[in-house]
Amino acid sequence: KAGVTQTPRYLIKTRGQQVTLSCSPISGHRSVSWYQQTPGQGLQFLFEYFSETQRNKGNFPGRFSGRQFSNSRSEMNVSTLELGDSALYLCASSDGGPEKLFFGSGTQLSVL
Amino acid sequence: EDKVVQSPLSLVVHEGDTVTLNCSYEVTNFRSLLWYKQEKKAPTFLFMLTSSGIEKKSGRLSSILDKKELSSILNITATQTGDSAIYLCAVHVQGAQKLVFGQGTRLTINP
Repeated sequence: KAGVTQTPRYLIKTRGQQVTLSCSPISGHRSVSWYQQTPGQGLQFLFEYFSETQRNKGNFPGRFSGRQFSNSRSEMNVSTLELGDSALYLCASSDGGPEKLFFGSGTQLSVL
Repeated sequence: EDKVVQSPLSLVVHEGDTVTLNCSYEVTNFRSLLWYKQEKKAPTFLFMLTSSGIEKKSGRLSSILDKKELSSILNITATQTGDSAIYLCAVHVQGAQKLVFGQGTRLTINP
């Protein structure tokens, strides 16, 4: 079985731009979660989708949004990028609850 | 607010040493505690612990939960350079489809 695939692996953007990150879960997994990882804050929960419905959302501003498609693939979008959005964005999929997460290798976003 | 704290944040030891990593938590409704190893980018699952208090072991790694002290430790014996990684502790809060992570412990094993 292929693992969780995230694209692109690296992104460099400038302040004010917007960005879309993509995540393909493990085949058969219907839950997709997104986390932001920064050196000072560790992993912070962004949101979780199950069968195209957002079930939970973290404490991030409205500039951060996501969606899930009928094939369980997910995208997250960050608009009006700020320097502080520079981070590793990790996607994880599960066929059950968050106790069975499989992580992708992430997208490293740098905002200049 | 749910909170998970790991210590130390960074640790450097020599190959063959034994290390103990700590994780404490304050959450509204505990369900389970998980340990992950992050070598490059993708965290990989190590252990899941529940209030049963049963110790989990896998080779040189072991972990246990102290539900009274609201904490957990991860032990690694006879460390090897391949154990160098960030070790992440996370708590699953009952009813929430998410994990609350600690800051991680960066472990470096020198030959």
